[in-house]
Amino acid sequence: EDQVTQSPEALRLQEGESSSLNCSYTVSGLRGLFWYRQDPGKGPEFLFTLYSAGEEKEKERLKATLTKKESFLHITAPKPEDSATYLCAVQRTGGFKTIFGAGTRLFVKA
Amino acid sequence: DARVTQTPRHKVTEMGQEVTMRCQPILGHNTVFWYRQTMMQGLELLAYFRNRAPLDDSGMPKDRFSAEMPDATLATLKIQPSEPRDSAVYFCASGLVPGTVTGELFFGEGSRLTVL
Repeated sequence: EDQVTQSPEALRLQEGESSSLNCSYTVSGLRGLFWYRQDPGKGPEFLFTLYSAGEEKEKERLKATLTKKESFLHITAPKPEDSATYLCAVQRTGGFKTIFGAGTRLFVKA
Repeated sequence: DARVTQTPRHKVTEMGQEVTMRCQPILGHNTVFWYRQTMMQGLELLAYFRNRAPLDDSGMPKDRFSAEMPDATLATLKIQPSEPRDSAVYFCASGLVPGTVTGELFFGEGSRLTVL
C-alpha cells in the first residue's frame, strides 16, 4: 500500500537556523514526488516536483532532494515568513493517484 | 487569475442533515481530487476523477458519501446523513495529468464543515 511519512511533526527554529524536513515514501510506480506549502486557513500551494533519484530543485531558501526511499526539504537561513506546514505527496503512474503525508509544521522565530 | 473555487467556505449543520459541497476546477484541467483534512489524519484522499470518470473512491465511506462530476465545470461531494466525525476541512484540487511539466495540483480554499 502506498504510504508517505513525514518527520518531524513540528519543528521550531530561530531565524537563520538551517534545518531539514524528511519525507519517507512507499509507492508502486512513482511518477513524481511533490512538496507543498500550506498556510493556516488556506489550501496547499505547490513548491516542487521531483521525478527521479538524485534530482534536486531549489527555490529561494528551499532545496528539495530525492532518493529512492525518501526526500528532504532543506531550509537555509529561514525567516519568520517561512513558518507554515510543509506537505509531501507522491503521485503514482497509471491513474495518477496522489497521496499526502501528514505534514511538518515549521515555526521560525525572529 | 485561474483558480479552483469551492462553496460553501463554511458550513455548520446538525447531525443527520445532508451536506453538499461544490467545486469548480480550473478550466481545461482534466483531473479533480477530493481530500479531507483533520488535525489527526492530515490530508486524506477521498476520491478522484479523470476526464469526469471516477478512478478511485476507496477513501470514502460508501454508505454516506458520494462524489460526482455532472459536467467538466462542476464536481460535487455529498454527505447523507452527516455525522459529527465528518467535521473537517474538505479540499478540492484540480490538475492536468499528464500534460504539465510539474504535475502539480491546484487547491481551492477548502470547505470547513462542522456537524453538531
